[in-house]
This record gives sequence, C-alpha cells and structure tokens, in this order.
Amino acid sequence: GEDVEQSLFLSVREGDSSVINCTYTDSSSTYLYWYKQEPGAGLQLLTYIFSNMDMKQDQRLTVLLNKKDKHLSLRIADTQTGDSAIYFCAEISFYNQGGKLIFGQGTELSVKP
Amino acid sequence: EAGVAQSPRYKIIEKRQSVAFWCNPISGHATLYWYQQILGQGPKLLIQFQNNGVVDDSQLPKDRFSAERLKGVDSTLKIQPAKLEDSAVYLCASSLDVQGGKLFFGSGTQLSVL
Repeated sequence: GEDVEQSLFLSVREGDSSVINCTYTDSSSTYLYWYKQEPGAGLQLLTYIFSNMDMKQDQRLTVLLNKKDKHLSLRIADTQTGDSAIYFCAEISFYNQGGKLIFGQGTELSVKP
Repeated sequence: EAGVAQSPRYKIIEKRQSVAFWCNPISGHATLYWYQQILGQGPKLLIQFQNNGVVDDSQLPKDRFSAERLKGVDSTLKIQPAKLEDSAVYLCASSLDVQGGKLFFGSGTQLSVL
C-alpha cells in the first residue's frame, strides 16, 4: 500500500540551509507535495513537483525528486526562525473517482538563532 | 478570500459521549475532506466529498463516525460514542477539484476524550 516516510526532527542554525528528506512508495504518483504546519494551525501548501521533473526552485525553496529511488527532498536556503514548523511530504494516490493525499508523519524543523 | 472555517476550536468530552464538528469550505470548492491528525502523526483521510456525494470513506470508522454535506457546501463530522483513541485534531480541507493535491486546510478542532 501507499506509505510516506520522513525523519522526525531537524535542528539548524539561522542562516544555514535545511534539507528535509522523504521517501514514498506509490510510483504512479503524478505530483508530490510539501506542506507546512505551524503550531495550532492547519496545513499550508508550500510547493509541489510534477513527477517528470527532477528539480523545482521557488525562491528559497528547492525540491529535488529522484524517481528511481522514490526520494523527495525539500531544501530551504537561508533558514529563518519563522521557518520553524512541521513539514509534511505527501504523495497523491489515485483511485476510480479521484485522488487522495497520503501524508508522511512530518519533520519538525527547529531553527536556532 | 475567506479560508476554510471550522468550529469549535477545542472540545473536551468524556468517553462514550457524542461530539460534532462543523466545517465551511472556501466558496466554490467542490471537494471537501475530513482528516484526523493524531499527535506526532501526519493527517489521515477520513472522508472525501465531491459536492454532496461521498467519494472515499474507506478509512472512516463507520460504527461510530458519520459525516454529511447535505447542500454541497458546509459539512459536519460526528462521533458517537467517542473513545479515548479518538483524541486528535480533526482537520477540514477543501479543493477546487477531486483529483488534485492542492488542499486548503482549516485550523482544525482539537478533541480531547477523557
């Protein structure tokens, strides 16, 4: 079945780069997503990548996709204290009537000043 | 543009009691989702609606959970009777279409079952 795995914690210093990794199982996923959750809030879509791409850059965010290894990563350049949050990787699983997101367990990013 | 609205924000009940959560999606969004997020885990889909029809409820514990979206707009999720393991944040989300992964989430209802 579908499964998405992430490391649970990452701690970096302000100004450093952060790299959050994710592995997924559904090779038919056409898109892969990164969501951010701040304390006490719902999830917010950060970025996504189409499965025929291997990289996507969006300002400070870089998404790398290795489809052969089913590995996805999110790099945040010049990490700020406001980036402290939980980051979820998600794959989309399709069935007859539509698609649903399968989320990983989330990586808690802590940014120290 | 108004976001996804959920209420209540917090709810504390005793086991075996009933509870209901309400969600109003973004205007024009045909697809509505209820997710359960247990502490330390990622959200798990409970039920997905397309307009007022159920698209997927394969992970909804139907012996105690029910959900409806009668007029294809707002939705309620009910638990009756609640168990200790139902303690979680219940997130509502909406999207424009049924196939996409671009979801807009509400802030959730934090449920504690004592």
